[in-house]
Amino acid sequence: EAGVAQSPRYKIIEKRQSVAFWCNPISGHATLYWYQQILGQGPKLLIQFQNNGVVDDSQLPKDRFSAERLKGVDSTLKIQPAKLEDSAVYLCASSPRHLGETQYFGPGTRLLVL
Amino acid sequence: SQELEQSPQSLIVQEGKNLTINCTSSKTLYGLYWYKQKYGEGLIFLMMLQKGGEEKSHEKITAKLDEKKQQSSLHITASQPSHAGIYLCGADVAYNAGNMLTFGGGTRLMVKP
Repeated sequence: EAGVAQSPRYKIIEKRQSVAFWCNPISGHATLYWYQQILGQGPKLLIQFQNNGVVDDSQLPKDRFSAERLKGVDSTLKIQPAKLEDSAVYLCASSPRHLGETQYFGPGTRLLVL
Repeated sequence: SQELEQSPQSLIVQEGKNLTINCTSSKTLYGLYWYKQKYGEGLIFLMMLQKGGEEKSHEKITAKLDEKKQQSSLHITASQPSHAGIYLCGADVAYNAGNMLTFGGGTRLMVKP
């Protein structure tokens, strides 16, 4: 079974530029999560989808971050415009059906904002 | 909100030695996950503990959940260089919309050959 796929793996941009990350969850997984992991810290949840609906986006800085999962499968996370403090690893995870089940993580996208 | 504190923050051990990593919660633990992360990579699921007193093992890694102490421990026996990485504990937090995982800051393990 293929794992969670993410692209790109690395991205370097200048502040005020835009960037987008893509995630394809494990086939059949209904729940998808985006996390931000700043160097030296544990991951922090940004947004959670159940199928194509948002379950929780209370931690998402909505003035610059947006995410969508239009067909209930893959998802994109966008930052516009980026700030220096957005430098982090962005992790996508998915779980089978219900909230609270084991989450399986992708390799992450490492973002550096200069 | 629930907070998880991991100790130690970093650890260097000689190959073959045993070691223990602790994860302490500020609130009652209902579900506790252990993940391993190598630098530049995603999180690899190790184990999930749900009941107080529960203990699970996978190869040379054993995890226990002490519900009364609101703590979980991860023990590695006869460490190997392949065990090196960042170990993260995550707790299931129930909230109005469902469940989410909150993570500790991680324990960085280095195993010297």
